[in-house]
Amino acid sequence: AQSVTQLDSQVPVFEEAPVELRCNYSSSVSVYLFWYVQYPNQGLQLLLKYLSGSTLVKGINGFEAEFNKSQTSFHLRKPSVHISDTAEYFCAVSATGNNRKLIWGLGTSLAVNP
Amino acid sequence: DAGVTQSPTHLIKTRGQQVTLRCSPKSGHDTVSWYQQALGQGPQFIFQYYEEEERQRGNFPDRFSGHQFPNYSSELNVNALLLGDSALYLCASSSSSGSSYNEQFFGPGTRLTVL
Repeated sequence: AQSVTQLDSQVPVFEEAPVELRCNYSSSVSVYLFWYVQYPNQGLQLLLKYLSGSTLVKGINGFEAEFNKSQTSFHLRKPSVHISDTAEYFCAVSATGNNRKLIWGLGTSLAVNP
Repeated sequence: DAGVTQSPTHLIKTRGQQVTLRCSPKSGHDTVSWYQQALGQGPQFIFQYYEEEERQRGNFPDRFSGHQFPNYSSELNVNALLLGDSALYLCASSSSSGSSYNEQFFGPGTRLTVL
């Protein structure tokens, strides 16, 4: 079984500042890792994913994340945030293979202030 | 391409009633997964349908059931509604073919309120 812990429930940040949203996972098997974003009253959109290979993955909207197997972490970063990045961010994990169920963290609410 | 669509958008029911939620997958997708997202929580996996059969199931009671039709669309049925069933119900579609990973695309969800 897998589990996900998002270490911060809320992250306030000023516009153009860097941000890091933290995610740790546990699993007894190999995993895929994901970050999704959810804007108010909308569905979930995939930001980026780690399947294999390079541990630094780049996603949409300038976000990137680094897979650290020894620390079982997959933290999300952006060097300079915009007001439009205000949203809920979810880290998720699945076992490797196609169409495996996603196990989700509780989410981190990112509030970008002017 | 309309993407994943869900209906209705919002629904209000009373305890004990039954509800049916519907999902049309993205064009070319044959696999549908359902998730429940309670307010302030992350989504929780309910079940997944492929080839009109339930292939995976999460820790949800038998009150939650589903169906997949030959055109790959899907329904989620919940019987004997409880207050705790109030949530956003998300449908995700994906493809079973090709590589070892195919992205799950999410619909906007159905907001169910149980009074």
